[in-house]
Amino acid sequence: SFELTQPPSLSVSPGQTASITCSGDKLGHKFTYWYQQKTGQSPVLVIFEHSKRPSGIPDRFSGSKSGNTVTLTISGTQAMDEADYYCQAWDTRTSVVFGGGTKLTVL
Amino acid sequence: QVQLVQSGAEIKEPGASVKVSCRTSGYSFTGWYLHWVRQAPGQGLQWMGWINPKNGDTNFAQSFEGWVTMTRDTSSSTAYLELRNLKSDDTGIYYCARDLGDFDALDIWGQGTRVTVSS
Repeated sequence: SFELTQPPSLSVSPGQTASITCSGDKLGHKFTYWYQQKTGQSPVLVIFEHSKRPSGIPDRFSGSKSGNTVTLTISGTQAMDEADYYCQAWDTRTSVVFGGGTKLTVL
Repeated sequence: QVQLVQSGAEIKEPGASVKVSCRTSGYSFTGWYLHWVRQAPGQGLQWMGWINPKNGDTNFAQSFEGWVTMTRDTSSSTAYLELRNLKSDDTGIYYCARDLGDFDALDIWGQGTRVTVSS
């Protein structure tokens, strides 16, 4: 079955760049999405179709792709960016798959 | 603005059923697919399936086939998720989320409904 792999955790200092990767078979041929989930809150879409930002998402969030790995980059990371981040793609075009999530700590 | 408002927390005994609602507003209910996503305590997001509010078509993740039902009421712009024969493993938060386009991003999420299964 189609799986997405993310690192479980990442720590960065405020102001640094955080790069969260997500890899999967043939992921380079699929659109990918990223969600931010802060503690006790619902997920929020931060990147869609590889690199597009929804309205209201700061431009320090960006998405990129290289081969079968996609990356969510947060430039100038702020304390408010501390959250769990999930990548998502479609399997067979009708089923959603989420990565296991990456816990971003800003310290 | 677009909103998805879910029903309140539920506590059920093992073997019982539960029905969670997701009331939508601010957009044309029949124009966008709705998904359901489960999050067990301390765990990641698990996709359950989607419903096409226009015609009621559904698609489920394999783990949820046969014991989960997704329905909708177009007159009230509300989607429903029913879980049967609950087990303790079904404890978690259940989210509804709107599909941005046909099989695109999940752009708007409900606030989540906590379901606790315990004897």
